[in-house]
Amino acid sequence: QVQLKESGPGLVAPSQSLSITCTVSGFSLSRYSVHWVRQPPGKGLEWLGMIWGGGSTDYNSALKSRLSISKDNSKSQVFLKMNSLQTDDTAMYYCARNGITTGRLFAYWGQGTLVTVSA
Amino acid sequence: QIVLTQSPALMSASPGEKVTMTCSASSSVSYMYWYQQKPRSSPKPWIYLTSNLASGVPARFSGSGSGTSYSLTISSMEAEDAATYYCQQWSSNPPTFGGGTKLEIK
Repeated sequence: QVQLKESGPGLVAPSQSLSITCTVSGFSLSRYSVHWVRQPPGKGLEWLGMIWGGGSTDYNSALKSRLSISKDNSKSQVFLKMNSLQTDDTAMYYCARNGITTGRLFAYWGQGTLVTVSA
Repeated sequence: QIVLTQSPALMSASPGEKVTMTCSASSSVSYMYWYQQKPRSSPKPWIYLTSNLASGVPARFSGSGSGTSYSLTISSMEAEDAATYYCQQWSSNPPTFGGGTKLEIK
């Protein structure tokens, strides 16, 4: 079955960079796109960006200058890198995938990894 | 980008009561998607292509709408339906989410 699992550093100092890995199973990254979504504590959901099966990327324009998404198909891993973190980047970070027959629904989600930006 | 505004932000309902929440888009969208989220859990896919229930979603839920106005309805509120519901569009880039409607049980 389709599964996604995020892993991250937990705590990041202000102005430092963040790296999170999404490890997937049950599907091939060469055939499906993967998205990144974040949720600050007690707040709503924000789409960050995506990597298509072919390797091209799309980003939220508000964060584009700080974001980079890449992947390793052979390891079934997708990587999110964000630089110049500030306290308002504190959030749960999710990776997600669309379904096959459900249009543009984010049908599969990881459990999320909490990133706290603090000195 | 398309802004989605959900209303109300907070509501409560008694068991058996009919519940309706809305999602208004700043520009016309082709379809709306909905998620249910409970504390300390990932969002769960709930409704896709405006009116189709995701796997495992009870039949008391329904979705409708078109253009800039969409809604999610629960025909008869149950305690397990207490959660926050988010709408989402991807008719144009970037995908965007509404701010959520928190539904509580009375």
